[in-house]
Amino acid sequence: GQNIDQPTEMTATEGAIVQINCTYQTSGFNGLFWYQQHAGEAPTFLSYNVLDGLEEKGRFSSFLSRSKGYSYLLLKELQMKDSASYLCAVRDSNYQLIWGAGTKLIIKP
Amino acid sequence: ETGVTQTPRHLVMGMTNKKSLKCEQHLGHNAMYWYKQSAKKPLELMFVYNFKEQTENNSVPSRFSPECPNSSHLFLHLHTLQPEDSALYLCASSRKRGGQETQYFGPGTRLLVL
Repeated sequence: GQNIDQPTEMTATEGAIVQINCTYQTSGFNGLFWYQQHAGEAPTFLSYNVLDGLEEKGRFSSFLSRSKGYSYLLLKELQMKDSASYLCAVRDSNYQLIWGAGTKLIIKP
Repeated sequence: ETGVTQTPRHLVMGMTNKKSLKCEQHLGHNAMYWYKQSAKKPLELMFVYNFKEQTENNSVPSRFSPECPNSSHLFLHLHTLQPEDSALYLCASSRKRGGQETQYFGPGTRLLVL
């Protein structure tokens, strides 16, 4: 079967750096997405990786290793507003999006 | 604001009620999706419409009935639901189905079935 694994919950301190990991086993690979979802709100698109390496977008970066079936989302200079759930999703060979259950990130002052 | 709106935002209904969820996208997209999001579970894709045609129905019970009158509007009609159907129902849209398109989500309808 197809599977996306990410930690259920993580805690970090304001101003610090946190890395949220995502591992996947899917039938084929056509890109990996990260979304941010604040409680009671819509998931919003953060990043897309289809080739190996690091994509940087301001305080957020996303890394992909296709050979290892692994990605991470790196958040720098954490702010209280970064408290949210972070969803990892992989597009498989049929262009279906396979979703992880999300990582709830708690930021403490 | 993602360009995808959903109404109502919250809904409480009894098991014998009939209600409808509405989604509208203002992005000029041609594909629309219904997802179910339950606590601590991955998003579950329910239905996909591409250019108003239903292209996927992921074994969803018949008590959920989708309708897509045009590329901008999507409905989910609900009847005789069960308590386990209580969840957040998310609508999303993308330029088209397939390819490497990013999906944009609405804020969801929080549904409670009593």
